[in-house]
Amino acid sequence: NAGVTQTPKFQVLKTGQSMTLQCAQDMNHNSMYWYRQDPGMGLRLIYYSASEGTTDKGEVPNGYNVSRLNKREFSLRLESAAPSQTSVYFCASSDYRGINQPQHFGDGTRLSIL
Amino acid sequence: SQKIEQNSEALNIQEGKTATLTCNYTNYSPAYLQWYRQDPGRGPVFLLLIRENEKEKRKERLKVTFDTTLKQSLFHITASQPADSATYLCALDRSGNTGKLIFGQGTTLQVKP
Repeated sequence: NAGVTQTPKFQVLKTGQSMTLQCAQDMNHNSMYWYRQDPGMGLRLIYYSASEGTTDKGEVPNGYNVSRLNKREFSLRLESAAPSQTSVYFCASSDYRGINQPQHFGDGTRLSIL
Repeated sequence: SQKIEQNSEALNIQEGKTATLTCNYTNYSPAYLQWYRQDPGRGPVFLLLIRENEKEKRKERLKVTFDTTLKQSLFHITASQPADSATYLCALDRSGNTGKLIFGQGTTLQVKP
């Protein structure tokens, strides 16, 4: 049982390049999340998907787009990468259905923008 | 403004002692509070969830308290072991029970043998 799988694990981009971070979960969870983690800042929510076909902005959505492809997959796209987007990105899922549930995290994508 | 704060300084304790980590928040009204463990290079791992009507929750050597009047949660690890060394994150629901969490910056615990 893999849980939450993120690809790639590491990536280096040049300013202005685009890329998509992939996330898949095999726990049949309805809700999925994208966070970024920066030193001293804690995890900050970028986008959230309560169910297939729905997405919602989080705390820091600017410069990102998301796509909930199906129940399993939730991707995060950087259209024009900027150095300020250098961070560690985590995907998570939960069985939230109106009652708080634990979130299950992947091991992150470490992204550097030069 | 809304804030969630954990002690940013690392906590160093001796093996066998009880570690106590603090999470304080202001201007939130969470119905739930969660604690996670994060090891270097890994994603956070869920430990405990406590509801606003629960004063205390335990799981093996872990204990969490939640005081909505003080706006504070305490996380205790009894009989600590070097393997407990990690960063511990608290997280609360932004407003009641939306499913969207806001995380503290974490406290690093170092347990020395």
